[in-house]
Amino acid sequence: AAGVIQSPRHLIKEKRETATLKCYPIPRHDTVYWYQQGPGQDPQFLISFYEKMQSDKGSIPDRFSAQQFSDYHSELNMSSLELGDSALYFCASSLVGGKETQYFGPGTRLLVL
Amino acid sequence: GQNIDQPTEMTATEGAIVQINCTYQTSGFNGLFWYQQHAGEAPTFLSYNVLDGLEEKGRFSSFLSRSKGYSYLLLKELQMKDSASYLCAPRDELSFGAGTTVTVRA
Repeated sequence: AAGVIQSPRHLIKEKRETATLKCYPIPRHDTVYWYQQGPGQDPQFLISFYEKMQSDKGSIPDRFSAQQFSDYHSELNMSSLELGDSALYFCASSLVGGKETQYFGPGTRLLVL
Repeated sequence: GQNIDQPTEMTATEGAIVQINCTYQTSGFNGLFWYQQHAGEAPTFLSYNVLDGLEEKGRFSSFLSRSKGYSYLLLKELQMKDSASYLCAPRDELSFGAGTTVTVRA
């Protein structure tokens, strides 16, 4: 079965640079969630989208923005990167109306030098 | 998640049973997830409870008591591959507890 796809899988950036992470949800899933997981920490919810509209907002820094496109894929844009942004970024998708189980992508490992 | 409480670590032997408790406080309630996460990998869905009671799925079972704000995940016939973090996540919180690291020993 198709799963959530994230790209790139690994990314190295320098401080103050920008990065864009992409997430392709499971086909027919209409909700996308973004999480940040630092080393040894639990996943922290950043933001979610339902039908291309922001549905919930968590601890997303102002330097980050995200959107969901007409094909339901989502992009997380990160600017003015800081060393503390180094983390695993997970995207999850779900189908609202069902059990809304979130299926996670493999994650993008971002390293900021 | 500040309103989610789980034990930090648990250790058990192969073939044994382990119960991971989770207490939570939420303003609303629309279900609770349990996820398994191996180090460096994405969380994997294990179970979802929205009604009180026990839901069994093979070696894993999950229990919910909404009135007590309490859930547990029961892992039976432990295998080495079950060594992982187990995350409790109330749906409304959109976040996870710190997770319980389960170590299975031979």
